[in-house]
Amino acid sequence: EAGVAQSPRYKIIEKRQSVAFWCNPISGHATLYWYQQILGQGPKLLIQFQNNGVVDDSQLPKDRFSAERLKGVDSTLKIQPAKLEDSAVYLCASSPLTGGPNTQYFGPGTRLTVL
Amino acid sequence: GENVEQHPSTLSVQEGDSAVIKCTYSDSASNYFPWYKQELGKRPQLIIDIRSNVGEKKDQRIAVTLNKTAKHFSLHITETQPEDSAVYFCAASPEAAGNKLTFGGGTRVLVKP
Repeated sequence: EAGVAQSPRYKIIEKRQSVAFWCNPISGHATLYWYQQILGQGPKLLIQFQNNGVVDDSQLPKDRFSAERLKGVDSTLKIQPAKLEDSAVYLCASSPLTGGPNTQYFGPGTRLTVL
Repeated sequence: GENVEQHPSTLSVQEGDSAVIKCTYSDSASNYFPWYKQELGKRPQLIIDIRSNVGEKKDQRIAVTLNKTAKHFSLHITETQPEDSAVYFCAASPEAAGNKLTFGGGTRVLVKP
């Protein structure tokens, strides 16, 4: 079974520039998550999709961050404009939609450096 | 919302000794508690999880215990090996929150040969 795919793996941008990350979840997984992991901290949920609908985006800084999952499969996360404090690893995860809590499978992440 | 505290932040053990990491959570509705291991520069990987209908779960050298009354859970690694060196994260999820995980701050474990 193929894992969660993310690209790019690394990105360096200047502050105030825009950037986009892509995620392809495990085939058949209805739920997709984007996390921000700042160095030395645990992952923090930014947004959760179930199929193509948003379940939770309460911690997404909506003035600069946006995400979409138009066809209920892959997803993009965008930052515009980027700030220095956005430097982090952006992790995508997916889980199947069955009764009860399910294991989340993480992708390799995109390491963003904002200069 | 849920808040998860994890201790210690760093843990150094001699190879062969045991390691224990403790987490507390705030939301009594949480009923799913996974543990993830993250090696340097790699993705978090699930190593064990426990649901609220059990108090303990074991998988070879790894065990997790849960005390719902006190709202804390712990990871126990016995007979530690150098390959156990990594950052370990606990997390908690209330089922009603759609499987939303709240992570602890992580514990960096170093196993010295």
